[in-house]
Amino acid sequence: DGGITQSPKYLFRKEGQNVTLSCEQNLNHDAMYWYRQDPGQGLRLIYYSQIVNDFQKGDIAEGYSVSREKKESFPLTVTSAQKNPTAFYLCASSMIDSNQPQHFGDGTRLSIL
Amino acid sequence: GQNIDQPTEMTATEGAIVQINCTYQTSGFNGLFWYQQHAGEAPTFLSYNVLDGLEEKGRFSSFLSRSKGYSYLLLKELQMKDSASYLCAGGFSGNTPLVFGKGTRLSVIA
Repeated sequence: DGGITQSPKYLFRKEGQNVTLSCEQNLNHDAMYWYRQDPGQGLRLIYYSQIVNDFQKGDIAEGYSVSREKKESFPLTVTSAQKNPTAFYLCASSMIDSNQPQHFGDGTRLSIL
Repeated sequence: GQNIDQPTEMTATEGAIVQINCTYQTSGFNGLFWYQQHAGEAPTFLSYNVLDGLEEKGRFSSFLSRSKGYSYLLLKELQMKDSASYLCAGGFSGNTPLVFGKGTRLSVIA
C-alpha cells in the first residue's frame, strides 16, 4: 500500500545530542514537509522540499536540518541547538500543485531525558 | 504571510449539528482544505473546496465563499468519535506549502 512511514514512533534524546527522524514515502510525491506540533497547538512548518537536493526553511527552521538525497526520503535532524525539542513531529508529502492535499505520516514523539 | 483563523474550541451534543468556521485572506487564494486530527494521531484529509458552494460527503459537508474569504465545515448527527481537532488549511498561488490554521478542538458530549 502507498503511504508515508515515519520512524521511530517514540524517541528520547539526551541534552546536547543530535537525533534524526526518518520519513519515507512511496506515493511518488515531489514535495515533502516537516511540521512540529506542541500540545494543544497547531502545526508549525520546519522545512519543506519540492525537488531532490533542494529544500526551503519554514517558519521555525532554527535548530533543525534536513536533506533530500532521494525523492522518497526526507530525514529531519534535531540538533543540540534546538533548546526545546520536546514535541510531536509530523512528516507530510504531496504533489507540488497547491490544489493537492498533503498526506501525513503517523508522527514521531520526541522527548528529552 | 497568509493568515488562517478558526475558533480554538467548540462543544456540541451527541446527535446535534455543529458548524466550524474558517476565514482566510483572499489574496492569491487557490483552495481550502479541511483535516481531522484525533489526539496523538496524524491529521487525515476530509475535504477540499475550490469553487463556491457546498460539498457534501456523508455526515460531513464543507462550504466555501471565495469572495468573502470564508469556509465552514458542517458535521451532522454528531457522534462521540467526532471529538477531535479540525484543521483548516489554505492553498495559495506560487506552489507554496499549505497554510494551516491552529485548529478547532471539538468536544462532543452526551
